Amino acid sequence: DTAVSQTPKYLVTQMGNDKSIKCEQNLGHDTMYWYKQDSKKFLKIMFSYNNKELIINETVPNRFSPKSPDKAHLNLHINSLELGDSAVYFCASSQVDGSPLHFGNGTRLTVT
Amino acid sequence: KQEVTQIPAALSVPEGENLVLNCSFTDSAIYNLQWFRQDPGKGLTSLLLIQSSQREQTSGRLNASLDKSSGRSTLYIAASQPGDSATYLCAVNNNDMRFGAGTRLTVKP
Repeated sequence: DTAVSQTPKYLVTQMGNDKSIKCEQNLGHDTMYWYKQDSKKFLKIMFSYNNKELIINETVPNRFSPKSPDKAHLNLHINSLELGDSAVYFCASSQVDGSPLHFGNGTRLTVT
Repeated sequence: KQEVTQIPAALSVPEGENLVLNCSFTDSAIYNLQWFRQDPGKGLTSLLLIQSSQREQTSGRLNASLDKSSGRSTLYIAASQPGDSATYLCAVNNNDMRFGAGTRLTVKP
């Protein structure tokens, strides 16, 4: 009965490959997010989706594309992976502004 | 653009001590501020959420305060335990969540 679940937990791949990370929330939340945590543990927002509409898009390379088939899912697709993409990626969800964020356990991506 | 700073970056205390973690932010027009805990290799667990109209929130041994006008929040942990060892992150919400770099806390038995 995990609230926000991400798969896979670990992802090791070579430069140039395309990969996806899946996220699902069973909380009925309206907004879902993707965050990137770098090696210094600094967490930065990448995308936010509200009712299938992209409402935040930080200065993220267009190799990264969020895909939301429905309100409960927000997947992250990455094209042409680069070494610098290695990080932990967190999915999160919230109901509306002002409500707590709920995070998944993260996906550790390693690009070799 | 909102900037969030947490000090200290790391803190080591003996078990039983009371301690304070600090968070400062540059833009006071926030909806709320949230404190998280992150254990190694794990996701973030929400500890306390303070709405912009509130001054503090308490949960067990944790107390978080918010002074919006000065752009500061503190997380007070009473009677620390080794199980409190983790990285503590504060996040400020004004349209999107901005995180500090965290404070890595070690509580020694």
